[in-house]
Amino acid sequence: AQTVTQSQPEMSVQEAETVTLSCTYDTSESDYYLFWYKQPPSRQMILVIRQEAYKQQNATENRFSVNFQKAAKSFSLKISDSQLGDAAMYFCAYRSAWDGGSQGNLIFGKGTKLSVKP
Amino acid sequence: ETGVTQTPRHLVMGMTNKKSLKCEQHLGHNAMYWYKQSAKKPLELMFVYNFKEQTENNSVPSRFSPECPNSSHLFLHLHTLQPEDSALYLCASSAPGTENTEAFFGQGTRLTVV
Repeated sequence: AQTVTQSQPEMSVQEAETVTLSCTYDTSESDYYLFWYKQPPSRQMILVIRQEAYKQQNATENRFSVNFQKAAKSFSLKISDSQLGDAAMYFCAYRSAWDGGSQGNLIFGKGTKLSVKP
Repeated sequence: ETGVTQTPRHLVMGMTNKKSLKCEQHLGHNAMYWYKQSAKKPLELMFVYNFKEQTENNSVPSRFSPECPNSSHLFLHLHTLQPEDSALYLCASSAPGTENTEAFFGQGTRLTVV
């Protein structure tokens, strides 16, 4: 069974600075997808960024980028130029690429609460 | 707005009540999910429906009963719940088997069992 671990329950960053959130996962599969979701106080889970395991290039989305280390099973999220609106819970998630088994459902870490100081 | 709508947003119910949570998506997705989010726990997958067929029941107690009448609607029927069932219940949809790999979530129903 796959597992996702986020070892930082809480993180804090100064506005305009850069912060990195950690995520490790365990799987025996070779093809899968990884995601970072953001959950603000409004509770809506919003996709921040995704990475296909078969792609070596790290995904980027504006101020958000990932450091995907497949051999190490590590998938960290870097937020540059942090803004007050980035304050939220951030969840790392894993999805098997074999839809016959998992039907597309996500396996989540426990989350990291990010605070942004003005 | 993600395209997935959940109602109600908040629900308080007694342990002897029967209530239902509703989820609706018009994204053309064929898979829908119920997740339970409790404090200090990872999101727990409860049920998966793919093309209206239940494909996964993650050892959920029978006091939770899902229903998927079509690919756009998903219900979670609740009866004789326990206080420990108080949590945020999230619905999601996706299109597995396509290039669109991510799941889209609703805003959740905050359930309190008293």
